[in-house]
Amino acid sequence: GAVVSQHPSRVICKSGTSVKIECRSLDFQATTMFWYRQFPKQSLMLMATSNEGSKATYEQGVEKDKFLINHASLTLSTLTVTSAHPEDSSFYICSARHRKVPDTQYFGPGTRLTVL
Amino acid sequence: DAKTTQPPSMDCAEGRAANLPCNHSTISGNEYVYWYRQIHSQGPQYIIHGLKNNETNEMASLIITEDRKSSTLILPHATLRDTAVYYCIAFLNTGTASKLTFGTGTRLQVTL
Repeated sequence: GAVVSQHPSRVICKSGTSVKIECRSLDFQATTMFWYRQFPKQSLMLMATSNEGSKATYEQGVEKDKFLINHASLTLSTLTVTSAHPEDSSFYICSARHRKVPDTQYFGPGTRLTVL
Repeated sequence: DAKTTQPPSMDCAEGRAANLPCNHSTISGNEYVYWYRQIHSQGPQYIIHGLKNNETNEMASLIITEDRKSSTLILPHATLRDTAVYYCIAFLNTGTASKLTFGTGTRLQVTL
């Protein structure tokens, strides 16, 4: 149980385009979902926290207009990287907090974004 | 959340127990100790967590010292598939605003 999926697993796009990444909790409802970013050989950095039906809370230094987060249901959150640039190339990972087991976050497999 | 300190890397022979230490000397009374691991190019995987008592599950054991200033994650019989970065996190669950913050972790290399 407690499986989180992400789609796509890899994406390559041209500079200036927008990319949407989906995060789904497959067998549980998630009160809160989180988006992290990880650059090569670095640790995970939290970007934002989203609660179903409300606006996301962004960490300091993360541009909310560039990284649009939508949390439309208890099982789906999306991250849209708008006007992507090569420096946005990274590994994006989502996680979800189980509605009934709120003390544990479960992570998706990650999405590798490459912006050319 | 309290800061944690882990060695940057460790080696372990396959079949042996891997003991991964973590210092959290400033941990507060209601902060849990969580362990996650990240295999290369994958999302982190939850391993175990505890507050005061030692914990064991199918993956690992967590030993927390009585003063709670340090803990050890034990993989009883390490395999090559256990090669990963292991993160020890002191986490206070205060509700929906609570969030896991990752440090640099310990890179465990399991060898033949």
